[in-house]
Amino acid sequence: QVQLVESGGGVVQPGRSLRLSCAASGFPFGTYTMHWVRQAPGKGLEWVAVISYQGSKKYYADSVKGRFTISRDDSNNTLYLQMSSLRPEDTALYYCARGPVVVYVGTTDYWGQGTLVAVSS
Amino acid sequence: DIQMTQSPSSLSASVGDRVTITCRASQDISNYLAWFQQKPGQAPKSLIYAASALQSGVPSKFSGSGSGTDFTLTISSLQPEDFGSYYCQQYDNYPYSFGQGTKLEIK
Repeated sequence: QVQLVESGGGVVQPGRSLRLSCAASGFPFGTYTMHWVRQAPGKGLEWVAVISYQGSKKYYADSVKGRFTISRDDSNNTLYLQMSSLRPEDTALYYCARGPVVVYVGTTDYWGQGTLVAVSS
Repeated sequence: DIQMTQSPSSLSASVGDRVTITCRASQDISNYLAWFQQKPGQAPKSLIYAASALQSGVPSKFSGSGSGTDFTLTISSLQPEDFGSYYCQQYDNYPYSFGQGTKLEIK
């Protein structure tokens, strides 16, 4: 069955960096577009970033552009989100989610349980 | 960027009721609209894609309709397990965007 397991969250000071990971299993990871979505405590969902299969296309929300980098390691079935220059408003539960197979545009079907990032001094 | 607006923001209903949630896009998104359900402490679950297509395993009590800018999610015969928050999402253009959510509570 499809499984997505996020890790790497924690408490970090403003201005510091953190790298999130999402380990995928149960499907041919390398053929799927993958997303990161976040949810601040008590708030709604905010789409963060996407990477196409093979990693040739990437797109970011304006709120993280220039600070966050999405990447993937298809040999290890893992999705990453490198976060730098973190701000208190980046505090959220970060979910990875599976997009469509091969194509770049399409919604998500499976989501992980999320990893919590707290940015605080 | 495309803005998504859901209404109502919260809704109180009883077991057995039929409810409708509305989602409006700030521009034409054709049928590139998805709906998600989220229960407290859980990850979102995909219900509907392409405005009206049910994800595998989603019961037929959930239905979606609409195209262009106006969309609806209807839940027939509410059961206790249906309560939680619901979000629409447009995937016509990046950056993708979600509605602010509708919290469905038990009356």
